[in-house]
Amino acid sequence: AQTVTQSQPEMSVQEAETVTLSCTYDTSESDYYLFWYKQPPSRQMILVIRQEAYKQQNATENRFSVNFQKAAKSFSLKISDSQLGDAAMYFCAYRSRGGNKLVFGAGTILRVKS
Amino acid sequence: ETGVTQTPRHLVMGMTNKKSLKCEQHLGHNAMYWYKQSAKKPLELMFVYNFKEQTENNSVPSRFSPECPNSSHLFLHLHTLQPEDSALYLCASSQGPGLMINYGYTFGSGTRLTVV
Repeated sequence: AQTVTQSQPEMSVQEAETVTLSCTYDTSESDYYLFWYKQPPSRQMILVIRQEAYKQQNATENRFSVNFQKAAKSFSLKISDSQLGDAAMYFCAYRSRGGNKLVFGAGTILRVKS
Repeated sequence: ETGVTQTPRHLVMGMTNKKSLKCEQHLGHNAMYWYKQSAKKPLELMFVYNFKEQTENNSVPSRFSPECPNSSHLFLHLHTLQPEDSALYLCASSQGPGLMINYGYTFGSGTRLTVV
């Protein structure tokens, strides 16, 4: 079974600075998808960014980018120019290519200081 | 509004009550899910429905009973719950397996359940 580990329960960043959230996963599969979700206090889980394992190029969405290291099974999220609205719980998630179950990590609380 | 609507937003129920949570999506998705989110624990997948058929029950106690009458609606019927069942219950939808599966889920805002 696949597992997802987020080793940072909580992180803080100064507004306008850059922060990196860590995620590692364990799988025996070679083709899969990885996601970062954001859950603000409103409770809405919002998809931030996704990465297909067969693509070597790291995904980027505006201020959000990932560092995908397939051999190391690492999938970190970098948030540049942090904004107050980025404060939320961030979840890393894994999905097999052949299935539709999402496996989540425990989450990282991100606090943004003004 | 994300396309997945959950009602009610909050629910307080006694241990002997029967209540239902509702989830509705009009995104054209054919897979729907129930997740339980407890404090300081990873999201726990409870049930998976693909094309209205239950394809996964993750060892969920029988006091939780899902129902999926069509691809757009999903219910979670609750009966004789325990205080430890208090949590945020999230519904999500997606394309089914084999169909555009590189996309993630679309989530609802959840129902905050408190069992007293």
